[in-house]
Amino acid sequence: DIQMTQSPSTLSASVGDRVTITCRASQIIGYWLAWYQKRPGKAPKLLIYKASTLESGVPSRFSGSGYGTEFTLTISSLQPDDFATYFCQQYDGYPLTFGGGTKVEIK
Amino acid sequence: QVQLQESGPGLVKPSETLSLTCTVSGGFINNYYWGWIRQPPGKGLEWLGYITHTGSANYNPSLTRRVTISVDTSKTHFSLNLTSVNAADTAVYYCARFMEWSYPDSWGEGTLVTVSS
Repeated sequence: DIQMTQSPSTLSASVGDRVTITCRASQIIGYWLAWYQKRPGKAPKLLIYKASTLESGVPSRFSGSGYGTEFTLTISSLQPDDFATYFCQQYDGYPLTFGGGTKVEIK
Repeated sequence: QVQLQESGPGLVKPSETLSLTCTVSGGFINNYYWGWIRQPPGKGLEWLGYITHTGSANYNPSLTRRVTISVDTSKTHFSLNLTSVNAADTAVYYCARFMEWSYPDSWGEGTLVTVSS
């Protein structure tokens, strides 16, 4: 199985901060990576697919980058609705696997 | 906009079968893959498997012998059956629509299933 490792596991930040989350794959997965946001009591929300393509309707403050084994999700200016848990997912190989998640907390 | 909603028992006894249904509204089950993902308490997400609208399924090898996903012929819901459950199967179970073989673009809110006698 392809292991997905996210860092940090928890991040404390303030509204307006620039935030970066990293996801590393245990083997090369090309561009085949997606990012999601999970807020308490809400369904997970797709933010980015194919490493850097923004899902329709997602604010442009979210961006993704990377190729191969290392990927980043950046929030350019953190907003109150962005305090949530973020996780990555690879779809280069079976079984599909997810990162452990990064919780973005209010500082 | 498609919406998904999980339903089923919140408590299942050890060794019994966990059965959940996902009702799809705002669209029909065609041209996508439909599947299940779970998250045990304090752990990461685990993909269980998915099925096409024609009934072709792909499962996580760690669960292949116990998991079955099926699509209702009316194409308005799909189901998960997980046999011989134990405490390790306690989790929040999510149903999701997948962009073919790849990533889920729509999820249900999830339902907690506890395995306990």
